[in-house]
Amino acid sequence: DAMVIQNPRYQVTQFGKPVTLSCSQTLNHNVMYWYQQKSSQAPKLLFHYYDKDFNNEADTPDNFQSRRPNTSFCFLDIRSPGLGDAAMYLCATSPRGGATGDEQFFGPGTRLTVL
Amino acid sequence: GQNIDQPTEMTATEGAIVQINCTYQTSGFNGLFWYQQHAGEAPTFLSYNVLDGLEEKGRFSSFLSRSKGYSYLLLKELQMKDSASYLCAVRDRGSNYQLIWGAGTKLIIKP
Repeated sequence: DAMVIQNPRYQVTQFGKPVTLSCSQTLNHNVMYWYQQKSSQAPKLLFHYYDKDFNNEADTPDNFQSRRPNTSFCFLDIRSPGLGDAAMYLCATSPRGGATGDEQFFGPGTRLTVL
Repeated sequence: GQNIDQPTEMTATEGAIVQINCTYQTSGFNGLFWYQQHAGEAPTFLSYNVLDGLEEKGRFSSFLSRSKGYSYLLLKELQMKDSASYLCAVRDRGSNYQLIWGAGTKLIIKP
């Protein structure tokens, strides 16, 4: 089945120790998104890509970086995780994004714990 | 400014009907989505409204009034598995067509 895959599902890191979360998709969608979601809060958009065109949200901290080496894969790098970065990180894809009626398809998420 | 409001929590009885409301303020409305999210899982798409009126999909229906900045999600014949959070998200031209998300309504179904 076509899907969005995130690895790992659970990630534990130490304060200040760099961590990379990965996302892959078999849907061949053009748009990929990274969201941060804390408990009982709305998902917060960190980045999105239209193909290789990178878009950074204005309030995304510099501590967060992203890479999309090809259509299928996208990575979220947290250079120096703080306790406030503990959250669920959701990857999503969309066929075209923008002003279309396309829905976003979400991966299962990676729950990040910072010790 | 941009704002999405939903009730934090609702409780309903198995087999009953529940309506979850969403009000929004955005600079350039361009469509509204409802997603279901079970605890610890990713959101899954339920419905999309861009024009006024009711969209029906099985036990779930979604309504939109653009003039009132208002939508609701109607769930019929509630089942225990419907216990989840329901998130309203508005696509906004002023935000480069990205989704502005509500914090979600936690729906608790009781037998």
